[in-house]
Amino acid sequence: DAMVIQNPRYQVTQFGKPVTLSCSQTLNHNVMYWYQQKSSQAPKLLFHYYDKDFNNEADTPDNFQSRRPNTSFCFLDIRSPGLGDAAMYLCATSRDVTSVFHNEQFFGPGTRLTVL
Amino acid sequence: GDSVTQMEGPVTLSEEAFLTINCTYTATGYPSLFWYVQYPGEGLQLLLKATKADDKGSNKGFEATYRKETTSFHLEKGSVQVSDSAVYFCALSEPYNFNKFYFGSGTKLNVKP
Repeated sequence: DAMVIQNPRYQVTQFGKPVTLSCSQTLNHNVMYWYQQKSSQAPKLLFHYYDKDFNNEADTPDNFQSRRPNTSFCFLDIRSPGLGDAAMYLCATSRDVTSVFHNEQFFGPGTRLTVL
Repeated sequence: GDSVTQMEGPVTLSEEAFLTINCTYTATGYPSLFWYVQYPGEGLQLLLKATKADDKGSNKGFEATYRKETTSFHLEKGSVQVSDSAVYFCALSEPYNFNKFYFGSGTKLNVKP
């Protein structure tokens, strides 16, 4: 089945130690998103890629970076994690954002990040 | 700016009860509207969507109608099951920027046997 895969499902890091979360997709979608979701809150968009075009949200901290080496993979890098960065990180994809009929987002299962 | 407001939870119901989760939105023009469901420890799954006024989205017994006059997209189900226990998110995407989604804060549903 075509899907969005996130690894690892659970990640523990230390305060200030860089960490990378990964996302891959077999849907061949050209748009990939990273969201941060804290407990009992709505997902918050950090940034998205339209093909190789990177789009950062204005309020995304500089501590968060992303890479998309090819269509299938996208990475979230947290350069110096703080305690406040502990959250679920969700990756999502969509096929074609030029049409209202194709803008459904498909989510991966998420990576839960713990910062010690 | 665009936003989505949904009723606070948790909502606790007995099995086979009728469910309504209210969702209202603020947007320019005609956004697309969505309901996503999140089961414990998992990502969000699309439940249903509607792309224009008066459209009704439906899936797995859930329904929601796009009401432009009341800017609402309330989620309903006639008879809930224990397996429906999850967090439900209402969301919209802008008509001029389809890749930008606005999510409500989520409503947790607990269904008791």
